[in-house]
Amino acid sequence: GQQVMQIPQYQHVQEGEDFTTYCNSSTTLSNIQWYKQRPGGHPVFLIQLVKSGEVKKQKRLTFQFGEAKKNSSLHITATQTTDVGTYFCAVLLNTGTASKLTFGTGTRLQVTL
Amino acid sequence: NAGVTQTPKFRILKIGQSMTLQCAQDMNHNYMYWYRQDPGMGLKLIYYSVGAGITDKGEVPNGYNVSRSTTEDFPLRLELAAPSQTSVYFCASSYRRQGNHGYTFGSGTRLTVV
Repeated sequence: GQQVMQIPQYQHVQEGEDFTTYCNSSTTLSNIQWYKQRPGGHPVFLIQLVKSGEVKKQKRLTFQFGEAKKNSSLHITATQTTDVGTYFCAVLLNTGTASKLTFGTGTRLQVTL
Repeated sequence: NAGVTQTPKFRILKIGQSMTLQCAQDMNHNYMYWYRQDPGMGLKLIYYSVGAGITDKGEVPNGYNVSRSTTEDFPLRLELAAPSQTSVYFCASSYRRQGNHGYTFGSGTRLTVV
């Protein structure tokens, strides 16, 4: 099945530093979604990207979809302690009657003062 | 709206016991899903449903069963619990087939099998 790899697995930054997580696939993706999961919490949908080279921003978060649609990134500018959590990319596969979301391995972000 | 509600939040089972994890959504979503998340790992799809009466297997269905008698409810049944089923279980739903607005997840059920 289609797999997406995320790097890094873990990153520890000081508050105010930037953070980037990358999602890579060996095959072309039709779309990619990003989710955030706070410690002990559940995944929360952030955004979906579908177009080649697409860039979307949500306040301090910038999401990019690669030109070849094989990779994506999430960049956080000037991290805050509220950004702590695990960030997952996920690929939506439309098969027959259903859409199924396949998750990447996640990047755990720790932010300290 | 409550969104997706999962019960119980925590449960400890003995090996060989059975239980049903409950999931209900009040958003009139046709599509519902069960995922499991092992510690420090991503989410793996167990079963999914595209509407009442229609279910299908995901990536890791062995040891589980589901039913979907109504649009709102999608319970997950564990038969003969094993330690390998110790995990956090998330139920999710989506409005459209394409899931353009993302999946809405419940708060999860933390299951330990001892």
